[in-house]
Amino acid sequence: KQEVTQIPAALSVPEGENLVLNCSFTDSAIYNLQWFRQDPGKGLTSLLLIQSSQREQTSGRLNASLDKSSGRSTLYIAASQPGDSATYLCAPTYSGAGSYQLTFGKGTKLSVIP
Amino acid sequence: SAVISQKPSRDICQRGTSLTIQCQVDSQVTMMFWYRQQPGQSLTLIATANQGSEATYESGFVIDKFPISRPNLTFSTLTVSNMSPEDSSIYLCSVEDGWSPNEQFFGPGTRLTVL
Repeated sequence: KQEVTQIPAALSVPEGENLVLNCSFTDSAIYNLQWFRQDPGKGLTSLLLIQSSQREQTSGRLNASLDKSSGRSTLYIAASQPGDSATYLCAPTYSGAGSYQLTFGKGTKLSVIP
Repeated sequence: SAVISQKPSRDICQRGTSLTIQCQVDSQVTMMFWYRQQPGQSLTLIATANQGSEATYESGFVIDKFPISRPNLTFSTLTVSNMSPEDSSIYLCSVEDGWSPNEQFFGPGTRLTVL
């Protein structure tokens, strides 16, 4: 069974800092990998999708990297802002029963202090 | 990306009752999914809602407890039957957007509390 681990579980940084969130997965046979953010009590917002053939994907202040062979992905957030405070979830996609299925980590809870 | 809405956004229910959650998408999508997020935990896939056929359930989830309907390509329902406090969770539907294959987008979720 695929397992996804996210480190750290929680992170508190002052506004303006650059930070890195880590994700590791046990089965490297992924189809792609998505990063999401979840605000308290809310649904998920898709941030970035990296295809298995890609090494990096960028969107604004966010940069996600993927090392499929070692089972790792990182999410880099530049110049953090209080509005970035949320839980960040990593979800590799695997081929399942007739569809592609996401497996989620427990997330990293980020607090950006003004 | 597809815009997804869910009803109700939250509910408080009594033990032994059932609740049906609706998921509506603003465009036709092939794949729809239902997830559960228990307090303090990450998301777990309940089932894939198939249009025109029975849902495909993941290990640990059964149709009698979580019946799913998918009458067309824009709508699905999940029923949580004979509820117990252990069913208190956020239930989320997601879809694969045809414009970005295999990328999933999520609805706002339904927060269920069972007393």
